[in-house]
Amino acid sequence: QVQLVQSGAEVKKPGSSVKVSCKTSGGTFSSFSIAWVRQAPGQGLEWMGGIIPLFGRTNYAQKFHDRVTITADGSSSTAYMELRSLTSEDTAIYYCARDGVVYDYILDVWGQGTMVTVSS
Amino acid sequence: DIQMTQSPSAMSASVGARVTITCRASQAISNKLVWFQQKPGTVPKRLIYGASTLQSGVPARFSGSGSGTEFTLTISSLQPEDFATYYCLQHSTYPRTFGQGTKVEIK
Repeated sequence: QVQLVQSGAEVKKPGSSVKVSCKTSGGTFSSFSIAWVRQAPGQGLEWMGGIIPLFGRTNYAQKFHDRVTITADGSSSTAYMELRSLTSEDTAIYYCARDGVVYDYILDVWGQGTMVTVSS
Repeated sequence: DIQMTQSPSAMSASVGARVTITCRASQAISNKLVWFQQKPGTVPKRLIYGASTLQSGVPARFSGSGSGTEFTLTISSLQPEDFATYYCLQHSTYPRTFGQGTKVEIK
């Protein structure tokens, strides 16, 4: 059973960066993709981007394209999402989720979420 | 980007009611649509994938249908534990995009 465990909550200053990790277990890291989704307080779900760890290939939503970098470390089965130039509007819960080409894997398993608060 | 539009944005219904939520895509996505349920303070839970395939462990009162640009999520008999927000997601092309959500409240 695949599990995704994310790093803990973060409090950041405006203009800084945050890097959230997502460690996978119970599955073959190279057999699926990882997506990153965020949810601002009281708002809906927003797809930010994803990575295919086997190839290191990434896709990003245009909204975040110049501020986000998603990476993966196969040796530790961990994916990372770094968001730069933070503003208060980036205050949100950030989730990782399993993704892939196979229908079975499309956001079927989620991490527990990481709260990122941006405040001066 | 493909826009996903859900309707209604919110609704109130009674226990036992039949509930239908619609998701429309701005262009054809075949059956590459997923439905999620999210309760306050919890992680989204996948209900339906491939537009109509029920996720293992999800009650049979949930069903999905549609193809192309119009999709529906139906709850045949609403139960107290079904009061939540529901989202659709298209995975036909990148970027993947969610609908804005439909909040189902108790009437």
